[in-house]
Amino acid sequence: QQQVKQSPQSLIVQKGGISIINCAYENTAFDYFPWYQQFPGKGPALLIAIRPDVSEKKEGRFTISFNKSAKQFSLHIMDSQPGDSATYFCAASGTYKYIFGTGTRLKVLA
Amino acid sequence: NAGVTQTPKFQVLKTGQSMTLQCAQDMNHEYMSWYRQDPGMGLRLIHYSVGAGITDQGEVPNGYNVSRSTTEDFPLRLLSAAPSQTSVYFCASSYERGRGTEAFFGQGTRLTVV
Repeated sequence: QQQVKQSPQSLIVQKGGISIINCAYENTAFDYFPWYQQFPGKGPALLIAIRPDVSEKKEGRFTISFNKSAKQFSLHIMDSQPGDSATYFCAASGTYKYIFGTGTRLKVLA
Repeated sequence: NAGVTQTPKFQVLKTGQSMTLQCAQDMNHEYMSWYRQDPGMGLRLIHYSVGAGITDQGEVPNGYNVSRSTTEDFPLRLLSAAPSQTSVYFCASSYERGRGTEAFFGQGTRLTVV
């Protein structure tokens, strides 16, 4: 069964700190690895995504690190802010399907 | 540009009742899907469609039916609601088929079955 394992389930970080969320996948046919951010009462929205031909992608304070051989990828949020408090989902996507991780609830303390 | 629109936003059903959750997108996306979100379970795929007239089952299809008569619309039908179907339901759409790409989500429908 295709799975994406995400950890931790919840994370508390001080303002200005680094938040790190990890994911591991099984199916090597996946070719798109996005991270989605979800605020309460809203649908998930794309935050940042990477394809397996690169090992890192950075957009502002958000960075994806991708390790193809280990089948792992992670989200790093630098200088975390209270406004980053949300649920984060990793996903792996290939032909026609998205497989999501179970989510990480991030709380950034002011 | 409205994106993905889901209706209703909230719904309470009695066990055994049926209903249809509506989903419409105006981005001409080929791929549409339905997920349910439960605490600690992430987003689980119910059904998906790769184009008008084509649907397939996801991870948790039991108790749900879908159809795709147009590119824009992808309704989800609950045939006989059960308390286990209490959840938040999200519809999503994306453009490219055969290759992963960004999924656009609706705002969700919070369903309670009593």
